[in-house]
Amino acid sequence: DIQVTQSPSSLSASVGDRVTITCRASQSIARYLSWYQQKPGKAPNLLIYAASTLQSGVPARFSGSGSGTDFTLTISSLQPEDFATYYCQQSYRDPRTFGQGTKVEIK
Amino acid sequence: QITLKESGPTLVKPTQTLTLTCTFSGFSLSTGGVGVGWIRQPPGKALEWLGVIYWDNDKRYSPSLKSRLTITKDTSKNQVVLTLTNMDPVDTATYYCAHSSTSMDPTYAFDIWGQGTMVTVSS
Repeated sequence: DIQVTQSPSSLSASVGDRVTITCRASQSIARYLSWYQQKPGKAPNLLIYAASTLQSGVPARFSGSGSGTDFTLTISSLQPEDFATYYCQQSYRDPRTFGQGTKVEIK
Repeated sequence: QITLKESGPTLVKPTQTLTLTCTFSGFSLSTGGVGVGWIRQPPGKALEWLGVIYWDNDKRYSPSLKSRLTITKDTSKNQVVLTLTNMDPVDTATYYCAHSSTSMDPTYAFDIWGQGTMVTVSS
């Protein structure tokens, strides 16, 4: 299986901060990497697919980059509604593993 | 507008078989490039990919569950069914179904999710 490791597992930030979350795959997955946001008690919501393509309706403060094994999700200016848990997922090879999640909390 | 909704029992006993139904609207699972996947999330833990079924009836399963898991589709009813045998307390989780399609995204990310259904395994 391809392992997907997110870092950090949690972070504290303030409204307006720039936030970066990293996802590293155990082997090259080209650009087959997506990012999801999940709020408590809710289903995940797709933010980014194909490493850097913004899903329709997602605010432009979210961006993704990377290819191969190293990927980044950036929130350029954290908003109150962005406090949530974020997951990356590789879809290069089955099983399509998720990262362990990054919880973004209010500082 | 694409929607998906999971349904099934909220409580199953150990060793029993779980059957969940994902009923969807707004797309057809006979359209090329379309898939419906299942993902679960134990309380307080991360998401786990279980498997996926595609428009051409191709099915992919997580190796850790492959001997216990079956995913089928009924295109005429717009439903996908997950069957998981020999349930154990560690299978307690919220189970989600989700849509993917290569019409916009070649990587089969899950763009629309159901609300999820919580399943508890306990005697």
